[in-house]
Amino acid sequence: DTEVTQTPKHLVMGMTNKKSLKCEQHMGHRAMYWYKQKAKKPPELMFVYSYEKLSINESVPSRFSPECPNSSLLNLHLHALQPEDSALYLCASSQGNEAFFGQGTRLTVV
Amino acid sequence: KQEVTQIPAALSVPEGENLVLNCSFTDSAIYNLQWFRQDPGKGLTSLLLIQSSQREQTSGRLNASLDKSSGRSTLYIAASQPGDSATYLCAVRSGRDMRFGAGTRLTVKP
Repeated sequence: DTEVTQTPKHLVMGMTNKKSLKCEQHMGHRAMYWYKQKAKKPPELMFVYSYEKLSINESVPSRFSPECPNSSLLNLHLHALQPEDSALYLCASSQGNEAFFGQGTRLTVV
Repeated sequence: KQEVTQIPAALSVPEGENLVLNCSFTDSAIYNLQWFRQDPGKGLTSLLLIQSSQREQTSGRLNASLDKSSGRSTLYIAASQPGDSATYLCAVRSGRDMRFGAGTRLTVKP
């Protein structure tokens, strides 16, 4: 199983809403990533978790709050987002070598 | 901070042509380099992974090379097909950090 599963696939939320994105992998990988990708741009690194501890935070605004409750699961909690936060949010996992990506969550903030 | 550049930004070729996509990076102290394919609005599909100690990897019609000392990688696609049309991204891993180039948008015309 080389799959990274992201839910939901699509999300529309208002600027006052609180929502969460979920990412799951069962490959035993101990590094998990969140990326943000705007249209026709490359993925931009947001957070890296290594052994369930936050190891990289790329100066992401506090309205994005990551959480790694166990080695298989990665969440991204969203609160008070802005329309410019609308993007494809990608999750990835790796164990030293190859990185595997999920299909992403298409987020629209209205 | 690692900077990754991909040339060309876009490429349109007739079916059957062989083509080369280029990726360059500024810091040669890399762990590995991975080539991905991305279809519009979708996640990333891993194509080839080259470890820092390797020079080349092949999978079917794809061949990727790595020259770490000069900070360059190429992705060679043989006998291109319309189904190869997508955006091709290279990602460079340094420790837990993985940075992407802006991608090459490939169109293969029947």
